[in-house]
Amino acid sequence: GAGVSQTPSNKVTEKGKYVELRCDPISGHTALYWYRQSLGQGPEFLIYFQGTGAADDSGLPNDRFFAVRPEGSVSTLKIQRTERGDSAVYLCASSTRTGPDNEQFFGPGTRLTVL
Amino acid sequence: GENVEQHPSTLSVQEGDSAVIKCTYSDSASNYFPWYKQELGKGPQLIIDIRSNVGEKKDQRIAVTLNKTAKHFSLHITETQPEDSAVYFCAASFGANSKLTFGKGITLSVRP
Repeated sequence: GAGVSQTPSNKVTEKGKYVELRCDPISGHTALYWYRQSLGQGPEFLIYFQGTGAADDSGLPNDRFFAVRPEGSVSTLKIQRTERGDSAVYLCASSTRTGPDNEQFFGPGTRLTVL
Repeated sequence: GENVEQHPSTLSVQEGDSAVIKCTYSDSASNYFPWYKQELGKGPQLIIDIRSNVGEKKDQRIAVTLNKTAKHFSLHITETQPEDSAVYFCAASFGANSKLTFGKGITLSVRP
């Protein structure tokens, strides 16, 4: 079946602009995660949704970052007043269940470049 | 919070040889340890995982071992093939939200 999809695959923007990154999870997956991966590093957790609510947003670096999942399926990560340090690959993952032993399936990521 | 360290950072092996990648974690509450393979331009792909109530798990050429006392776990790949060349990440999670804490990754190169 279809995996996790993310759009756009690449986004180039200028410092100070606003961007939205979209994630379509695997159908039926109730848990959705956003991670950020900088060059040469492992993914770093940003936020986790269970259904429509953000169950844990402790990884969001500051209040310029916000994410929504209004209908419990598609999620959008929003970044205001982008900075060059926001440049990274933003990864989305989804899972069928929560708990300490779920399996997270990752999308291909959106590469964000802030000039 | 949890801290996962992965070593070495690069590993080169001859095709057909075995490769071992090691990770350590800091939080004894962690109880789920997945391994992901990431190819260039792609998202991480789960290749094997282990839970804290199991000491070893195998899947064809891949195996993972867990030592809870020492807080380390290892990925073993036997009979390596050029297509095994990629970046491998270990991770750990705990708690109800299951956010994963990743290591920095290791670049595995399999020489034909």
